Amino acid sequence: GAVVSQHPSRVICKSGTSVKIECRSLDFQATTMFWYRQFPKQSLMLMATSNEGSKATYEQGVEKDKFLINHASLTLSTLTVTSAHPEDSSFYICSAYDRLNTEAFFGQGTRLTVV
Amino acid sequence: QKEVEQNSGPLSVPEGAIASLNCTYSDRGSQSFFWYRQYSGKSPELIMFIYSNGDKEDGRFTAQLNKASQYVSLLIRDSQPSDSATYLCASRGGNKLTFGTGTQLKVEL
Repeated sequence: GAVVSQHPSRVICKSGTSVKIECRSLDFQATTMFWYRQFPKQSLMLMATSNEGSKATYEQGVEKDKFLINHASLTLSTLTVTSAHPEDSSFYICSAYDRLNTEAFFGQGTRLTVV
Repeated sequence: QKEVEQNSGPLSVPEGAIASLNCTYSDRGSQSFFWYRQYSGKSPELIMFIYSNGDKEDGRFTAQLNKASQYVSLLIRDSQPSDSATYLCASRGGNKLTFGTGTQLKVEL
């Protein structure tokens, strides 16, 4: 299957700083990528849909100025958590759709801890 | 609000038994359905997807879909300890996946 690579896998940052997470599709072009957040014992919650070359679409309740998404190429989307706070600590996962495969492939996830 | 419901479990089955995982969804417009396996601290891995009523088999896994009842299930035959994980059901509408909270499966020796 298609491979989606997410980096870093784990990051610890101080409160008030920003963290960038990268999501790459390695062997296919991803016109659309999705960013999820998962708190312990909870399901994946879609944060935003990232479309190559256009603005991301954010789900209700997700602050677009706090979670900056850039999808500058068909193989790379980035999520930047700005002015991180401890409540932003979570597992962030990206996903890419290859329409030809009709499947969503997930990155390895990023465990963010804000101290 | 579009919802996918799953029993959180844990569901405990002995090794070699059949594990049955169930899921209901509220959006009749959902086009296809996915089962993912997620180990603790890891990202979800796709097991299989189904979009037509009936059964779909892949190795030890069988997905069942009943659109009239808005019900999806996953059967795991000959369960192994390595199958112990959380199983996430997801429905697809357009490009978006809506996930259930997952069912924790424990396969006991």
